[in-house]
Amino acid sequence: DQQVKQNSPSLSVQEGRISILNCDYTNSMFDYFLWYKKYPAEGPTFLISISSIKDKNEDGRFTVFLNKSAKHLSLHIVPSQPGDSAVYFCAASVLIQGAQKLVFGQGTRLTINP
Amino acid sequence: EPEVTQTPSHQVTQMGQEVILRCVPISNHLYFYWYRQILGQKVEFLVSFYNNEISEKSEIFDDQFSVERPDGSNFTLKIRSTKLEDSAMYFCASKRQGGLDTQYFGPGTRLTVL
Repeated sequence: DQQVKQNSPSLSVQEGRISILNCDYTNSMFDYFLWYKKYPAEGPTFLISISSIKDKNEDGRFTVFLNKSAKHLSLHIVPSQPGDSAVYFCAASVLIQGAQKLVFGQGTRLTINP
Repeated sequence: EPEVTQTPSHQVTQMGQEVILRCVPISNHLYFYWYRQILGQKVEFLVSFYNNEISEKSEIFDDQFSVERPDGSNFTLKIRSTKLEDSAMYFCASKRQGGLDTQYFGPGTRLTVL
C-alpha cells in the first residue's frame, strides 16, 4: 500500500534554517491531510492540517503547502529548533460516513543540528 | 489540555493468550480509532468506531480482534488469541466530531507476543 509516500527517510538541518519535509500521495479522493510529529516511545502528536480546498495553512513556525495537481504536500518549519528533532509523519484521509481512516507515510526523521 | 490515555504502556503475553488494550479517549470526542505500528513499518489503520458500532475496519482487523466501549469513558481493543505477528505498538485515537477533523493519539501500548 503506497498511497502516501515520504521519500526521504531522514533530513538534517542546521538550527535556525528552514526544514522542508515532503509527502506524495496517489489517491485523488483524499480530502484532508495532516502532519504528525513523533518521539520514540510516544504517540503521534498533531502538528498541522490542511483540507483539499486550500493550498496553504500556517500555524506559527509551521506551514503546510498542498499542490493537488502534483498530489504533493510539504511541511515547512522555520526557524528550525533543536526540539523539532523527531520523526514526522504525513497522513491523508477520506471521509466515509463521518469516519476518517488515516493513511500514513513511512515518516521522515528530522535532526536539527546546533 | 485533554489527552488520550492508554494502559498498559507495555504488555507481554504468550502466543495464544487473550489481551485487552485499554484507552480513555478525550471526553467530548465521539469517534474512536485503533492503529498499530509494527517495528520499522508504517502506522496502519485497524478500526474506527462511532455510536457504539464499527464504522470501518481494515483487512488486518479479522475475527481475532474486537472493540468495545463498555462504559462512557473506556474504549478497548481485544485480541482473542495472540500471534507472534501481533507484536507492535497499538495506538488509540479519538476525534471530536464527524467531518474533517483532527484525530488525537494516545501514547501507545507496546504489545510483545512471545
